[in-house]
Amino acid sequence: GEDVEQSLFLSVREGDSSVINCTYTDSSSTYLYWYKQEPGAGLQLLTYIFSNMDMKQDQRLTVLLNKKDKHLSLRIADTQTGDSAIYFCAESRLTGYSTLTFGKGTMLLVSP
Amino acid sequence: DTEVTQTPKHLVMGMTNKKSLKCEQHMGHRAMYWYKQKAKKPPELMFVYSYEKLSINESVPSRFSPECPNSSLLNLHLHALQPEDSALYLCASSQKGGQGDNEQFFGPGTRLTVL
Repeated sequence: GEDVEQSLFLSVREGDSSVINCTYTDSSSTYLYWYKQEPGAGLQLLTYIFSNMDMKQDQRLTVLLNKKDKHLSLRIADTQTGDSAIYFCAESRLTGYSTLTFGKGTMLLVSP
Repeated sequence: DTEVTQTPKHLVMGMTNKKSLKCEQHMGHRAMYWYKQKAKKPPELMFVYSYEKLSINESVPSRFSPECPNSSLLNLHLHALQPEDSALYLCASSQKGGQGDNEQFFGPGTRLTVL
């Protein structure tokens, strides 16, 4: 099957910027999503970007999309300890029924 | 109301028990989903209901039986489970199924332990 790839772990200091990267495989993907999961909790939709956009900003979050390289990134400005969680990128594929394909998740650890 | 609720929060059951997981949303969404998530793994899709009809079954064993009584409710009936079925079961909903925008809203999950 086709995989969505993410680095597994990122450690930053409080106040720094965090950049979480993701590569996807299906060029027909229409929407790309970032979800946050805190320990023992469900997934929280953070933001998404439509495939004809290059960038989307939402408060401290900036999503960059390089469609040519099938590369997606999530930048969190002024990272806080409350941002510590697992971050999943997901693609919504256009072929057939629209379902989400998740990456394996990036664990972000923010130290004081 | 922008919430997806799930009950119970935790469930412990034996391999001969029958139990049900419940999910509810009041956002007027017409697609609902069940996912299984093992520790440190991404969610795996199990079932998709669209307009109260089962649209996708990802080859899930028959000991898991989904039910969608109406557009707001989704159940997952469990029978004769195995210890390896222990996981976090997540419910999600989206405005519509089919192609296009598939912004899914997730519930907090039910942590299931099978003894």
